[in-house]
Amino acid sequence: AQSVAQPEDQVNVAEGNPLTVKCTYSVSGNPYLFWYVQYPNRGLQFLLKYITGDNLVKGSYGFEAEFNKSQTSFHLKKPSALVSDSALYFCAVRDAGGYQKVTFGTGTKLQVIP
Amino acid sequence: SAVISQKPSRDICQRGTSLTIQCQVDSQVTMMFWYRQQPGQSLTLIATANQGSEATYESGFVIDKFPISRPNLTFSTLTVSNMSPEDSSIYLCSVTPGQGQPQHFGDGTRLSIL
Repeated sequence: AQSVAQPEDQVNVAEGNPLTVKCTYSVSGNPYLFWYVQYPNRGLQFLLKYITGDNLVKGSYGFEAEFNKSQTSFHLKKPSALVSDSALYFCAVRDAGGYQKVTFGTGTKLQVIP
Repeated sequence: SAVISQKPSRDICQRGTSLTIQCQVDSQVTMMFWYRQQPGQSLTLIATANQGSEATYESGFVIDKFPISRPNLTFSTLTVSNMSPEDSSIYLCSVTPGQGQPQHFGDGTRLSIL
């Protein structure tokens, strides 16, 4: 069975500071990894994905994530946080082999403080 | 990418009634997914809907309670039947445009049952 853990319910960061939202995963084969953001009253918006290749993945709105196979982690990062980044962030994983359903983490609320 | 339209965006319903949620995609997709997101929680997959076949339901969800239609490659409906306050939730439609591609989500239907 596959699983995703987002250990922090909420992350607070000052505007202009770097931010990290943590994610670890478990999957039997090779992983496809995703980050999504959810703003109030909206669905989930895709930020970035890791399928294969470079471990550092760049995505929308200046976000990036680093795939670390040995630590089974896929932490989301941004060098300089904006107040508008405040939202709910979900990490997701699925097994790359064949079709498997996607498993979502419990979400981390990011609060950027002006 | 796929653009997904969900209707209605929100509704308030009486206990014991049923509501049908519509999901329209701007391109043909093989698989469509229906999720539930209860307040403050992550996404839970209700079922996967393929065109021309019966939906596949996840553990804890049954067809009598959540009947799904998938009449063509761009449209699906989810009905929430005999609603109770416990069904108050956000219901999200999602599609995967292709293998290895991230899922795209509609903005969801916010359902409150009185």
